[in-house]
Amino acid sequence: DAGVIQSPRHEVTEMGQEVTLRCKPISGHNSLFWYRQTMMRGLELLIYFNNNVPIDDSGMPEDRFSAKMPNASFSTLKIQPSEPRDSAVYFCASSKGTGGGWQPQHFGDGTRLSIL
Amino acid sequence: GIQVEQSPPDLILQEGANSTLRCNFSDSVNNLQWFHQNPWGQLINLFYIPSGTKQNGRLSATTVATERYSLLYISSSQTTDSGVYFCAVERGVTGGGNKLTFGTGTQLKVEL
Repeated sequence: DAGVIQSPRHEVTEMGQEVTLRCKPISGHNSLFWYRQTMMRGLELLIYFNNNVPIDDSGMPEDRFSAKMPNASFSTLKIQPSEPRDSAVYFCASSKGTGGGWQPQHFGDGTRLSIL
Repeated sequence: GIQVEQSPPDLILQEGANSTLRCNFSDSVNNLQWFHQNPWGQLINLFYIPSGTKQNGRLSATTVATERYSLLYISSSQTTDSGVYFCAVERGVTGGGNKLTFGTGTQLKVEL
């Protein structure tokens, strides 16, 4: 089975440009998570969705960040306008929730974002 | 929020050695997962282990939820075990949505 698929793998862009990161979760998973990883702050949860509905976006750093999940097989994380401090590796993960608890989270390979 | 502390922060092993990584957390949890981030940056889920003991090949994990810690055992280490090991937890609240808080990790290097 295919894992979590993220695109692009690498993105280099200039400050002020709009950046869109994409994620396809594992088929059948009903939860999707966006994380950011930096040396200074480690792995941080930005936002997560359950059944395509945003549940908790308290980790989104500011209004320049937005995320959508229009259907069960696709999500985007958008940064507009981008700033150099947004440079990081962004991960998408998915999991399947069951009545008895939660299943392991599975991560995509990440998008390495560099804002010049 | 919940605090997650991992020890040791860094570890160097000779191939074939055994090791134990520790994860302490500050509150009760209903969800604990161990991950390995390999040198290429990929994050691999090793265990979903809110309590008890599990084994997968040379790796095993034990969580003692009442004492707020988890241990990851690596036996007969190999160079492919190198990377960063993360513990991640979710507080034991009703309606939790698999919202994980990650520790700072243990950087492991296995040498020949």
